[in-house]
Amino acid sequence: DVQMTQSPSSLSASVGDRVTITCRASQRISNYLNWYQQKAGKAPRLLIYAAARLQSWVPSRFSGSGSGTDFTLTISSLQPEDFATYYCQQSYGAPQTFGQGTRLEIK
Amino acid sequence: QLQLQESGPGLVKPSETLSLTCTVSGGSISSSDYYWGWIRQPPGKGLEWIGTIYYSGSTYYDPSLKSRVTISVDTSKNQFSLKLSSVTAADTAVYYCARGCGGCPFYWGQGTLVTVSS
Repeated sequence: DVQMTQSPSSLSASVGDRVTITCRASQRISNYLNWYQQKAGKAPRLLIYAAARLQSWVPSRFSGSGSGTDFTLTISSLQPEDFATYYCQQSYGAPQTFGQGTRLEIK
Repeated sequence: QLQLQESGPGLVKPSETLSLTCTVSGGSISSSDYYWGWIRQPPGKGLEWIGTIYYSGSTYYDPSLKSRVTISVDTSKNQFSLKLSSVTAADTAVYYCARGCGGCPFYWGQGTLVTVSS
């Protein structure tokens, strides 16, 4: 099974900050990497698929990059609505494992 | 627009079998381009992929659940199902169904809370 290691597990930041979350796969997964945003009590929402492709609802301050084993999610200028938990997921092979999540909190 | 909707009992007794169905609309469950899966999230915890079923009918289950899990497809109803036997309180979670593939957007249902309690 592919193990996904996400870091940091939590992050405190201020509105306007640039933040980066990383996700590392235990083996090469090409660009088969998704990023999700989850707010309390809600289902996860797909932000980015294929490592760098933004879903239509996602603001351009979000970006994703990476290939192989190392991936990043970057928010260029944090907005109040971005404070949430973020998960990476590999879609390379079953089981389609998730990272443990990064909780992004207001400083 | 593809939509997935989970349904099933919200309360299951310990040692019994949890049964959920995911109804797919706006797309065919028989498509060879996608696979279908179940995910769960215990309260306050992260996401766990339970298992996957492919258009061929082949399945993959998380090893920690493999002995208790069955995922099946009913193409006539455009549905797929999850059965988890011998449940305990540790199986209390929000259960999601999803459609995916390598390199494509994943679609999820909105989730259903299943509580295991007597």
